[in-house]
Amino acid sequence: EDQVTQSPEALRLQEGESSSLNCSYTVSGLRGLFWYRQDPGKGPEFLFTLYSAGEEKEKERLKATLTKKESFLHITAPKPEDSATYLCPNRDDKIIFGKGTRLHILP
Amino acid sequence: ETGVTQSPTHLIKTRGQQVTLRCSSQSGHNTVSWYQQALGQGPQFIFQYYREEENGRGNFPPRFSGLQFPNYSSELNVNALELDDSALYLCASSVSLQVGYNEQFFGPGTRLTVL
Repeated sequence: EDQVTQSPEALRLQEGESSSLNCSYTVSGLRGLFWYRQDPGKGPEFLFTLYSAGEEKEKERLKATLTKKESFLHITAPKPEDSATYLCPNRDDKIIFGKGTRLHILP
Repeated sequence: ETGVTQSPTHLIKTRGQQVTLRCSSQSGHNTVSWYQQALGQGPQFIFQYYREEENGRGNFPPRFSGLQFPNYSSELNVNALELDDSALYLCASSVSLQVGYNEQFFGPGTRLTVL
């Protein structure tokens, strides 16, 4: 069964403490992926599209990378406003979301 | 440019009732998708509409149905509501038929509670 697995499920960091979130894919023929952030009770907000292994994208304190079967979202010196759930669905006609990583940045 | 809007924001229904949720696409977008997101879970794809026709469906029963109108706005209808239908319903619009291949822009969602 095709799956998107995100880890950790939840992550609490102090403001300024850098870390990484992980997505792994057991989908056949991964054609890239998206990263979204979702605030509680709101719709996901688009961050990045990664199309192929080796690609990297950056936006402010966020940097997304992609290997053949995994993607990482690196958060450098996070701020409290980076607190959200991060989602990484595959880029395919059968789009699959994982449960997300709930990130909480403490001031 | 107007983003994706959804109505109502919240809704409470009882088991067995029917509900209609509404979505207005972002300007210039011709494809609408609907998702169900249970608490603590990621969104699950319900179906997609392109040019007023259903064009892709997830693992949801026929009591979940939809419409897309000429102005690209959309409705999600759910008949015979069950307790497990309680969730946040998300509408997303995009510019391409191949919805899974292009970024989508989500609305704020409708929180449905079934009692």
